[in-house]
Amino acid sequence: GQNIDQPTEMTATEGAIVQINCTYQTSGFNGLFWYQQHAGEAPTFLSYNVLDGLEEKGRFSSFLSRSKGYSYLLLKELQMKDSASYLCADYNTDKLIFGTGTRLQVFP
Amino acid sequence: DTAVSQTPKYLVTQMGNDKSIKCEQNLGHDTMYWYKQDSKKFLKIMFSYNNKELIINETVPNRFSPKSPDKAHLNLHINSLELGDSAVYFCASSQEIEVQGNYGYTFGSGTRLTVV
Repeated sequence: GQNIDQPTEMTATEGAIVQINCTYQTSGFNGLFWYQQHAGEAPTFLSYNVLDGLEEKGRFSSFLSRSKGYSYLLLKELQMKDSASYLCADYNTDKLIFGTGTRLQVFP
Repeated sequence: DTAVSQTPKYLVTQMGNDKSIKCEQNLGHDTMYWYKQDSKKFLKIMFSYNNKELIINETVPNRFSPKSPDKAHLNLHINSLELGDSAVYFCASSQEIEVQGNYGYTFGSGTRLTVV
């Protein structure tokens, strides 16, 4: 199957750390992407993992465990502008398959 | 310069009409896609073209017909529009995904289609 699951909504406070989890059950897995999408805008690339481990990019990090079919996106030092939807996507057989996205709301 | 541009940004039309959405990319990418994002924000692939050739055609009604005149353009024509076609349609492009370091897909800003 190609189920990709992530929480629908999350809330956090400015300056805090939040972890958004994603699980996938796919065959033909070939990489895991995270995208950010602000309301009314296009998704924009955040990170790509194809090997196990943690990829760090400034305030954002992404982790992958292929054996567990699991990834997370870690956002540190949250800012108000981080309020957006975060989409987990599996690269599989020449296409990106997206999860339903996690809407993150950051409060002051 | 906009990397992936699509027009129009908003489209309101009546049921039964035929409409087209255009997409152009200036990134030199070989592959282009159409995705549909419904009211629940779920992004689902519809089509993909590689160098003007159709390579992915998901389960989409044949009222939807993509056309790629060259590798920089991928248009979407929709016949006999229905209420359920209301959604945001995103065009995207990519080079071949490489291990560690590719930047995935670049998306256009979307076309919000409302069928009334």
